[in-house]
Amino acid sequence: EAQVTQNPRYLITVTGKKLTVTCSQNMNHEYMSWYRQDPGLGLRQIYYSMNVEVTDKGDVPEGYKVSRKEKRNFPLILESPSPNQTSLYFCASSFNGQANPQFFGPGTRLTVL
Amino acid sequence: KQEVTQIPAALSVPEGENLVLNCSFTDSAIYNLQWFRQDPGKGLTSLLLIQSSQREQTSGRLNASLDKSSGRSTLYIAASQPGDSATYLCAGPGSARQLTFGSGTQLTVLP
Repeated sequence: EAQVTQNPRYLITVTGKKLTVTCSQNMNHEYMSWYRQDPGLGLRQIYYSMNVEVTDKGDVPEGYKVSRKEKRNFPLILESPSPNQTSLYFCASSFNGQANPQFFGPGTRLTVL
Repeated sequence: KQEVTQIPAALSVPEGENLVLNCSFTDSAIYNLQWFRQDPGKGLTSLLLIQSSQREQTSGRLNASLDKSSGRSTLYIAASQPGDSATYLCAGPGSARQLTFGSGTQLTVLP
């Protein structure tokens, strides 16, 4: 089954404790991206990647890192999480860019205390 | 920079009604627009993608149109059902490689 998976689905952590949210797709897609969704602010893009070793900042990249060492994986790293990073995070992928249908993961609900 | 607006934020209709959801965008150079559905606590599901050359796309009871000159897209849902209840989002290219989303319309179809 074609899908985008994210782990963990739920995470409660404390300020400053490094964490990684994994994202994996099995569709051989070149384009992957991360979004956060907040009430009243909608979906905002954090980072995106056009292919292996090619990443770029989205609209709200501060406090986040990503890597794309393999085509299927695109982890989101929070080196020192803060409470304002409490949010619902989505990973998405598509064939080769934002002009193609986007496939979204189920989301990761992160709470930073 | 592309801005995408969806009005109304929420809509409630009786079952069986035909309805239209609206999406406005500021950059008329848009070359495609996507409509998504989001169920509570779930990820987004792509419904329709309209290329600027197409003007319209249909899938089952859904029909989406794109009018670049007016900066608008509409999603038409025919014969609405309670199972259509969800939040509907539209998104257009914010830049060469990014998507910009509207804040969504929360649709409730009453039995």
